[in-house]
Amino acid sequence: AQSVTQLGSHVSVSEGALVLLRCNYSSSVPPYLFWYVQYPNQGLQLLLKYTSAATLVKGINGFEAEFKKSETSFHLTKPSAHMSDAAEYFCAVSLVQGAQKLVFGQGTRLTINP
Amino acid sequence: GAVVSQHPSRVICKSGTSVKIECRSLDFQATTMFWYRQFPKKSLMLMATSNEGSKATYEQGVEKDKFLINHASLTLSTLTVTSAHPEDSSFYICSAIGTGGGSGANVLTFGAGSRLTVL
Repeated sequence: AQSVTQLGSHVSVSEGALVLLRCNYSSSVPPYLFWYVQYPNQGLQLLLKYTSAATLVKGINGFEAEFKKSETSFHLTKPSAHMSDAAEYFCAVSLVQGAQKLVFGQGTRLTINP
Repeated sequence: GAVVSQHPSRVICKSGTSVKIECRSLDFQATTMFWYRQFPKKSLMLMATSNEGSKATYEQGVEKDKFLINHASLTLSTLTVTSAHPEDSSFYICSAIGTGGGSGANVLTFGAGSRLTVL
């Protein structure tokens, strides 16, 4: 069975600083990995996904994530935080490329300090 | 792009009553819809998977008689919380995915969620 662990339920960074949100996964087979963002009172929006092509995945809004099999990690980064990045971020794993039947991590709330 | 609409966004009901939440795909045909439950400060938990025209597949530990799911058309799935109790209070989110070409095909699209409060 797959599982996802997000380290840190709350991350706070200053505007312009590096954003690093950590995600580790467990899967018995090569996984498909996803990062979603949830703004208040909105649905989840796909940021990026890893589907066994390039290990460094670039997503929307300047975010990227690197798949590291040896570390079973898929950390999300953004070089320079913007106030509009404040939201809840979820890492998820699936055995199916189409993101069906996702298993989510517990989420990380990102706060941006002016 | 693909849009999934949930209604109502918020609902408050008395204990013992039933509540229906709708999930609609607005611009694509959703062959599969998923229902999640999100507890405060917790992750999304998959409750069930529904395919149009067939019975929903429930995840282990989810009471199918308590959470009735109907996917009668390619654009609508409903979740009915029967005889709701305060412990059923939660944020319920649906997602949908279509097949073939066009928007929504092979892309999982989430609704904005429905917050249920049972008094």
